[in-house]
Amino acid sequence: KQEVTQIPAALSVPEGENLVLNCSFTDSAIYNLQWFRQDPGKGLTSLLLIQSSQREQTSGRLNASLDKSSGRSTLYIAASQPGDSATYLCAVRVYSGGGADGLTFGKGTHLIIQP
Amino acid sequence: EAGVAQSPRYKIIEKRQSVAFWCNPISGHATLYWYQQILGQGPKLLIQFQNNGVVDDSQLPKDRFSAERLKGVDSTLKIQPAKLEDSAVYLCASRGQLTYEQYFGPGTRLTVT
Repeated sequence: KQEVTQIPAALSVPEGENLVLNCSFTDSAIYNLQWFRQDPGKGLTSLLLIQSSQREQTSGRLNASLDKSSGRSTLYIAASQPGDSATYLCAVRVYSGGGADGLTFGKGTHLIIQP
Repeated sequence: EAGVAQSPRYKIIEKRQSVAFWCNPISGHATLYWYQQILGQGPKLLIQFQNNGVVDDSQLPKDRFSAERLKGVDSTLKIQPAKLEDSAVYLCASRGQLTYEQYFGPGTRLTVT
């Protein structure tokens, strides 16, 4: 059974710092990995999706890397801003036959950027 | 492009009552998912539809939860009877045939008292 772990569970840093969020998964047979952002009381917003054949994806100040063989991904946020404060969730897509491909999520990292 | 719509946004019921949630996916998306997110946890898949057929319901508590997608578009998720531990946010997501990304709705926050 696939399990996804995110470290740290919570993080508080001053504005302007670069930071790294970590995600690990137990089964390396994944199709892709997706990073989401969740604001309080809101749904999930997709940030980056990395296919299993890719090593990294970039969008603005965000960079996500994937090491499938070791079961790890990192989300790098450059020059953090107070607006980046949210919960960040990592999820993997595993194809389990018959078209079943629901995401398996970690518990998230709650990020606070201090002004 | 309109996003995934869900209603209601909030619902408070007493235990043993029944409740239903509605989801309208992004137009043209054949695959629809329902997830349950308990406070402090990541979302957990409950059921996946491909058009109007069930692809995966292995984690759906079938003694009290049911879901349908009769015309392959809108979907409803029902809980009957509700328990205290069903208090959670219920998220609906959809995915197109040619994309890998799942797009999520705003969720329905259910409180069972």
